[in-house]
Amino acid sequence: AQTVTQSQPEMSVQEAETVTLSCTYDTSENNYYLFWYKQPPSRQMILVIRQEAYKQQNATENRFSVNFQKAAKSFSLKISDSQLGDTAMYFCAFNYFGNEKLTFGTGTRLTIIP
Amino acid sequence: SAVISQKPSRDICQRGTSLTIQCQVDSQVTMMFWYRQQPGQSLTLIATANQGSEATYESGFVIDKFPISRPNLTFSTLTVSNMSPEDSSIYLCSADRVGTEAFFGQGTRLTVV
Repeated sequence: AQTVTQSQPEMSVQEAETVTLSCTYDTSENNYYLFWYKQPPSRQMILVIRQEAYKQQNATENRFSVNFQKAAKSFSLKISDSQLGDTAMYFCAFNYFGNEKLTFGTGTRLTIIP
Repeated sequence: SAVISQKPSRDICQRGTSLTIQCQVDSQVTMMFWYRQQPGQSLTLIATANQGSEATYESGFVIDKFPISRPNLTFSTLTVSNMSPEDSSIYLCSADRVGTEAFFGQGTRLTVV
């Protein structure tokens, strides 16, 4: 079974700084997807970014980008020019191609300091 | 993506009672899932809600405790039965179409007293 590990329970950075959240995973499969979800205090799970394992190019979405290292099974999230609204729990997640159920990491609580 | 309406958003229930949570999607979806998020924890999959057939439960979750219905491609319910304080959690509904990312309802914060 696949596992997802987030080794940073909490992080905090000053507004406008750059922060990187770590995620590693374990799987023996070759076709899968990786995700970063954000959960603010409202509880709503919001997709931040998605990466297909077969793509070598790292996904980017505005201020959010990933560093996907398939051989190392690493999938970190970089947030540039951090904003107060980025304060939230961030979950790394995984699913296999063709099997839509997600396996989540334990989460990183990110606080952006004004 | 689509919009999921989940209700109730929160409830406080007496132990021994049951609560049914509803999840309505604004368009047809292939898959629907129910997750539990215990206080300060990550999300754990309870079951996959299958349209027209019995749900598929993950290890540690059983139908008698968490009966699930999915009568059509846009609606599902999760019932938390015979509740105890250990059932106090956030319950989240999720849906997607094959090849797309999952989207979530707003969650139901359940407190059992």
